[in-house]
Amino acid sequence: KQEVTQIPAALSVPEGENLVLNCSFTDSAIYNLQWFRQDPGKGLTSLLLIQSSQREQTSGRLNASLDKSSGRSTLYIAASQPGDSATYLCAVRRGSSNTGKLIFGQGTTLQVKP
Amino acid sequence: DAGVIQSPRHEVTEMGQEVTLRCKPISGHNSLFWYRQTMMRGLELLIYFNNNVPIDDSGMPEDRFSAKMPNASFSTLKIQPSEPRDSAVYFCASSPKETQYFGPGTRLLVL
Repeated sequence: KQEVTQIPAALSVPEGENLVLNCSFTDSAIYNLQWFRQDPGKGLTSLLLIQSSQREQTSGRLNASLDKSSGRSTLYIAASQPGDSATYLCAVRRGSSNTGKLIFGQGTTLQVKP
Repeated sequence: DAGVIQSPRHEVTEMGQEVTLRCKPISGHNSLFWYRQTMMRGLELLIYFNNNVPIDDSGMPEDRFSAKMPNASFSTLKIQPSEPRDSAVYFCASSPKETQYFGPGTRLLVL
């Protein structure tokens, strides 16, 4: 059974700091991995999607890496801003096609202090 | 595009009542997903449809839950009868291929 774990559960940093969020999964047979952002009271917004054959993806100040063999992914946020405050969730897609289920971690709640 | 639309945004009901949640996916997306989010269990997939056909309903907790997608622009999730443990935020998401686009959610409270 695929399990996705995110550590830490919560993180508070001063503005401008670079930070890393961690995601681990127990079954390396994944199709892809996605990072989402969730603001309080809102739905999820997709940030980055990494295919199982890829090592990393970048979008602006965000960089996500994937090490499938060790069951780990990281989300790197450069020069953090108060607007980055949100809950970040990672999700792995099971199986060998894009129709597999997404299994979500519990999320890391980030607070960036001005 | 207005994004995924869900209604109602909030629902408060009494135990035993029927609850119907509604979703309008983004036009052109051929997959639709229903999720439930709670503090204890996080985000869980309940059911998903591809081209209006249910593909995987293994996440539906019990027979009290049912979902339909009569056409490409509308889906419902029904709980009958509702119980206090069904209280959660229910999200609908749609997808053209792999990236999923989430609606704002329906916050359900069953008293």
